[in-house]
Amino acid sequence: GENVGLHLPTLSVQEGDNSIINCAYSNSASDYFIWYKQESGKGPQFIIDIRSNMDKRQGQRVTVLLNKTVKHLSLQIAATQPGDSAVYFCVTGAGSYQLTFGKGTKLSVIP
Amino acid sequence: NAGVTQTPKFQVLKTGQSMTLQCAQDMNHNSMYWYRQDPGMGLRLIYYSASEGTTDKGEVPNGYNVSRLNKREFSLRLESAAPSQTSVYFCASSENWETQYFGPGTRLLVL
Repeated sequence: GENVGLHLPTLSVQEGDNSIINCAYSNSASDYFIWYKQESGKGPQFIIDIRSNMDKRQGQRVTVLLNKTVKHLSLQIAATQPGDSAVYFCVTGAGSYQLTFGKGTKLSVIP
Repeated sequence: NAGVTQTPKFQVLKTGQSMTLQCAQDMNHNSMYWYRQDPGMGLRLIYYSASEGTTDKGEVPNGYNVSRLNKREFSLRLESAAPSQTSVYFCASSENWETQYFGPGTRLLVL
């Protein structure tokens, strides 16, 4: 079955620095990739997505990179702010309604 | 727009009791989902409804039933609650199978 894992369960970053959150996936059929942010006591919030025919996509202060060769996904957050403190989930889809969530990386921003 | 709303926010049940979790969305989305999230874990899909009138099992359907009441509403029922069903339950909706938007969650404790 699908196994979506993360290289680091926790990440501490100084305010103003850039953050990089990594994710490894195992399902070769995965063709859609999403990053969600979950703040304490809230539901997951969509950040950015990317399809398998792309290797990079940029949003506001966020960039997602996809390396299909090694089945690796990363989320880069520029100029990290205290409001970025949350758990970030790497999520994969393979053409069905069943998305697969990773366990999450907790990002802590140090003021 | 309220997005995805869930009721109740919190619930305590005794083993064997039944209850229904309610979910509604005002985005005119076709698809709706129920997930559970256990401590330190990602979300796991319980059931989903790709469109009004259809429901399908997800990864962890045992012990649950669902009803897609209309396009807006999707309920989750626990017929005989067990301590293993203590969790946070999230409802989500999407236009198609991809980007899903989540509600705030229902925290359920089964004693």
